[in-house]
Amino acid sequence: DTGVSQNPRHKITKRGQNVTFRCDPISEHNRLYWYRQTLGQGPEFLTYFQNEAQLEKSRLLSDRFSAERPKGSFSTLEIQRTEQGDSAMYLCASSLGLVVNEQFFGPGTRLTVL
Amino acid sequence: AQKITQTQPGMFVQEKEAVTLDCTYDTSDPSYGLFWYKQPSSGEMIFLIYQGSYDQQNATEGRYSLNFQKARKSANLVISASQLGDSAMYFCAMSGSGAGSYQLTFGKGTKLSVIP
Repeated sequence: DTGVSQNPRHKITKRGQNVTFRCDPISEHNRLYWYRQTLGQGPEFLTYFQNEAQLEKSRLLSDRFSAERPKGSFSTLEIQRTEQGDSAMYLCASSLGLVVNEQFFGPGTRLTVL
Repeated sequence: AQKITQTQPGMFVQEKEAVTLDCTYDTSDPSYGLFWYKQPSSGEMIFLIYQGSYDQQNATEGRYSLNFQKARKSANLVISASQLGDSAMYFCAMSGSGAGSYQLTFGKGTKLSVIP
């Protein structure tokens, strides 16, 4: 049973550098979500894909952030010109797209911007 | 806009006792879903239980039950017979039926500590 996987698990970068995270959803899931979680807060929605189409983007997703899901399978989240405020846990989730829409989360990528 | 409020930053419970974690919500969507997730110190969000707004009965999943009171807009999680492994952060979340219905809106969470 392979759940949602994310790589890398941890990333430390210097301010101004670009970083890219990868998410591999559960294979039969057609929906994929990115969330950001800062210390002491619940996850906040960033963006959502149905297959390869990016259908929703939060206003939290500034123009420095870009996400892709090129073949409707894995997804990447890129942050350009990182800022210290980007330090957070980036969570990926996937779902089957049924009525309940239960989302299964990956272990997250913890980003630290120095 | 949807909003989830969890007013208990931290809770303690004795092992084998039951505990209730509070959650209130606000939405203008006619139908919606309510979820509870557990987040251990490892960081992964684990789905626990779901309640649909039109479900007549309260949801139950093993030791977890959701006390859904629609008129009060509350969706409290009840954990029976607490175990040491239940120590974690617990998040209440909701999804709507309108625009943005697929995204989950989370509360700030409650940290549960189970005391032996």
